[in-house]
Amino acid sequence: GAGVSQTPSNKVTEKGKYVELRCDPISGHTALYWYRQSLGQGPEFLIYFQGTGAADDSGLPNDRFFAVRPEGSVSTLKIQRTERGDSAVYLCASSLVPGGNYGYTFGSGTRLTVV
Amino acid sequence: KQEVTQIPAALSVPEGENLVLNCSFTDSAIYNLQWFRQDPGKGLTSLLLIQSSQREQTSGRLNASLDKSSGRSTLYIAASQPGDSATYLCAVPSQGGSEKLVFGKGTKLTVNP
Repeated sequence: GAGVSQTPSNKVTEKGKYVELRCDPISGHTALYWYRQSLGQGPEFLIYFQGTGAADDSGLPNDRFFAVRPEGSVSTLKIQRTERGDSAVYLCASSLVPGGNYGYTFGSGTRLTVV
Repeated sequence: KQEVTQIPAALSVPEGENLVLNCSFTDSAIYNLQWFRQDPGKGLTSLLLIQSSQREQTSGRLNASLDKSSGRSTLYIAASQPGDSATYLCAVPSQGGSEKLVFGKGTKLTVNP
């Protein structure tokens, strides 16, 4: 597609439930990134994929968070046993190659609300 | 640990004014610095990327400078327009050329017609 697509755009879930957030990067982009943005804050790094593998998952806050990219394109961020503190906008970005020299294209994000 | 600070947090100016947004970072061993724009409810749009070997980059009415030794960058916007209203974020790698970007909280710019 022309840009990075994230679905759903909004998700409301009850505390304790499981959610999946999807990111469809630009075709051919090998690098994919997940960030989380709370109100009034800058994005906070979660995980970076190069191809199918998670090259850096140091930003995942705990073991309730997991992300996959099985075929090197679409990625899914999975959150188990959601908590109210997980409420945020989850942003996905992709890049042709790592390093930022070709720029990053961000999606519009998924706004997750845990009630 | 890399930390990024942006000043001011918010800025309101009349149309046509030239303005400067500031960004400072604590670890100067970076490969590059980027400026992004974020519109309400939207993702980020990449504006300018400055490599560590460069001192500035220009794109249209935007000019970004980088002083690695002092840990500072500025984004200069010339002849501001209402369409420039948005939040501007700067980001640097957490260390060296890391893919993990550390963002500031942003400067919310309002340009009044």
